[in-house]
Amino acid sequence: EAGVAQSPRYKIIEKRQSVAFWCNPISGHATLYWYQQILGQGPKLLIQFQNNGVVDDSQLPKDRFSAERLKGVDSTLKIQPAKLEDSAVYLCASSPGPLAASSYTQYFGPGTRLTVL
Amino acid sequence: AQSVTQPDIHITVSEGASLELRCNYSYGATPYLFWYVQSPGQGLQLLLKYFSGDTLVQGIKGFEAEFKRSQSSFNLRKPSVHWSDAAEYFCAVGAQKLVFGQGTRLTINP
Repeated sequence: EAGVAQSPRYKIIEKRQSVAFWCNPISGHATLYWYQQILGQGPKLLIQFQNNGVVDDSQLPKDRFSAERLKGVDSTLKIQPAKLEDSAVYLCASSPGPLAASSYTQYFGPGTRLTVL
Repeated sequence: AQSVTQPDIHITVSEGASLELRCNYSYGATPYLFWYVQSPGQGLQLLLKYFSGDTLVQGIKGFEAEFKRSQSSFNLRKPSVHWSDAAEYFCAVGAQKLVFGQGTRLTINP
C-alpha cells in the first residue's frame, strides 16, 4: 500500500514570495491534515479536511495561508506572502475517516522542508 | 484544553540498555494516545496507539507503552535499544485532532 506522498521535499524562497505544497493521501482515506513543525517542536495542526470540506482551520493564519482539497483526494497548501517565521517542515497526514475502525490513526508523509530567507 | 508534556528534551542511553520515555497528557475525556518516531529528514512513523482495553500496548520495533489513567501518563519503553533507534520521539493525544508533545531526542552510545 502506497503511503502519503508530498512534494516538493525541499523549498527555499525569499520572504514575500509565494510557495505551494502538494499532498496525495493514502488511497481511500477520507480525512486529510496539514501540520506545521517548527524546528525543535512537535507538529501543530493547521487544517483538517473531511473529503473536500474543511473541518477545522482554527490555527491556519488565513491572511497568508490557504489550502484546498479538490475532489476529496489531493490537497495543496499555499503561503502568500511568506515570512521568515514560516520556515518549518510542512507535514501532510491522512486517516481513514470517521466511519472506519481505525479512524483516529493518522499516517504521515515525509514532509516538505521550507526555508524562507 | 488538550496538552502533552514530554519532560525530557534529550536522552542518551547505551546500546543494549533499557529505555523509558515519559509522556504526560491532559485531556477532557477518555484519551486516544499515540507514539510516533521521526528520523532525520523523515516524516512521522506510528509506533503504537492506545484507544481502549489492555493498558499495556505493544508496537513495532519492540516498543511498548503503558497507559496509567491515575497518573495521566503514557510512557514508552523498550527493553534493549539498538543504534537504529536514535531518532526523535513524539507523544500525541486526541481523536481527529492530535496535539503533540515537543518531542524527546534519543541518542544511542555505542
